[in-house]
Amino acid sequence: QKEVEQNSGPLSVPEGAIASLNCTYSDRGSQSFFWYRQYSGKSPELIMSIYSNGDKEDGRFTAQLNKASQYVSLLIRDSQPSDSATYLCAVIKSGGSYIPTFGRGTSLIVHP
Amino acid sequence: GAVVSQHPSWVICKSGTSVKIECRSLDFQATTMFWYRQFPKQSLMLMATSNEGSKATYEQGVEKDKFLINHASLTLSTLTVTSAHPEDSSFYICSARSRDNNQPQHFGDGTRLSIL
Repeated sequence: QKEVEQNSGPLSVPEGAIASLNCTYSDRGSQSFFWYRQYSGKSPELIMSIYSNGDKEDGRFTAQLNKASQYVSLLIRDSQPSDSATYLCAVIKSGGSYIPTFGRGTSLIVHP
Repeated sequence: GAVVSQHPSWVICKSGTSVKIECRSLDFQATTMFWYRQFPKQSLMLMATSNEGSKATYEQGVEKDKFLINHASLTLSTLTVTSAHPEDSSFYICSARSRDNNQPQHFGDGTRLSIL
């Protein structure tokens, strides 16, 4: 089992819809979780950080963390074509080297 | 806040040349810096982690004599690709993180390296 797993996609949603991106992780002691967006040919940019169970909202983005089930998700409301990118989930385990482990990313396509 | 500047953006050079890439944290102290490589349509691959004032820790399979990393200050790390060859052509990305290890890392814009 990979440490951080994401469905590679592509996930295709129509403009205006809610895009739901999921990430599962294997280490139960993980404590810090991040979502990054990476446009083709560009470097990743941070969208959200989340550390405790529940939802965290920032504009059109909501991160959801469920430590018991070991998953973290990202919801994008009112999806726009400009949201089309690869979304990377990153996890920091506890008590280790604090090197973030990245998933392979989910490709999101928002079509007009 | 949390701006990371990476320079140069792209490099084209002849085989055998050594190339230095700089990564600077502009508005925070980067206790830890990471260097990644990414081939087209592939995942980020961590090459090494460096802490200010310490030797870099390289991931398995990354040649430390080939990819020299220096992190001499809290705002600057450099990656030197020594005697670069065409197979070293890739997208190199640095990231930086502050002293709090649970904070996110922030990425530079990347350097596209093409070796002829």
